[in-house]
Amino acid sequence: QVQLVQSGSELKKPGASVKVSCKASGYTFTSYSMNWVRQAPGQGLEWVGWINTDTGNPTYARGFTGRFVFSLDTSVSTAYLQISSLKAEDTAVYYCARGRAWGSDYWGQGTLVTVSS
Amino acid sequence: QTVVTQEPSFSVSPGGTVTLTCGLSSGSVSISYYPSWYQQTPGQAPRTLIYSTNSRSYGVPDRFSGSILGNKAALTITGAQADDESDYYCLLYMGSGISVFGGGTKLTVL
Repeated sequence: QVQLVQSGSELKKPGASVKVSCKASGYTFTSYSMNWVRQAPGQGLEWVGWINTDTGNPTYARGFTGRFVFSLDTSVSTAYLQISSLKAEDTAVYYCARGRAWGSDYWGQGTLVTVSS
Repeated sequence: QTVVTQEPSFSVSPGGTVTLTCGLSSGSVSISYYPSWYQQTPGQAPRTLIYSTNSRSYGVPDRFSGSILGNKAALTITGAQADDESDYYCLLYMGSGISVFGGGTKLTVL
């Protein structure tokens, strides 16, 4: 069965970096893209971008360029989201979701990133 | 920048039918926007209901259906149940690899 398992919660100070992992199983990793979605506390879903798991080419939404970086390790079927120069407003749950027809089908359980001094 | 619009809230009676919509601040939604729909209850990860306008995702009952109604994408829930009470989000593909979520609709079943 398809599963996306994300890394655990993180507490970081402003200015630090964080790397969230998303390990896929149950399917051929490079056959589906990986999307990333953010949800700030009490807010709606926000599309961060996606990465082509076959070519490694990333696409970022407006507002998520520069500090947000997607990467892959196809040898372990894992996608990563790294956020640098963290700000308080980056506090959110970050989800990975397998791409399907410009949407998503399977979702990870989410990773809470808290930025606080 | 084009905004994806959804009703902020909606209510439906148990057993009733409700249609939630997903539009654009400028222009019409078509199948070329590959509308998808997601259900989320508090504290849980989203669940995919519909992708590519009207394709149901795995394990989604046929009470949930997607379509294009007029100039908007639509999610119709028939035979509403208490556990359909959730937030519903649509996602539209804007082209050039970019997608945008709507603000979500809070559905109450009462």
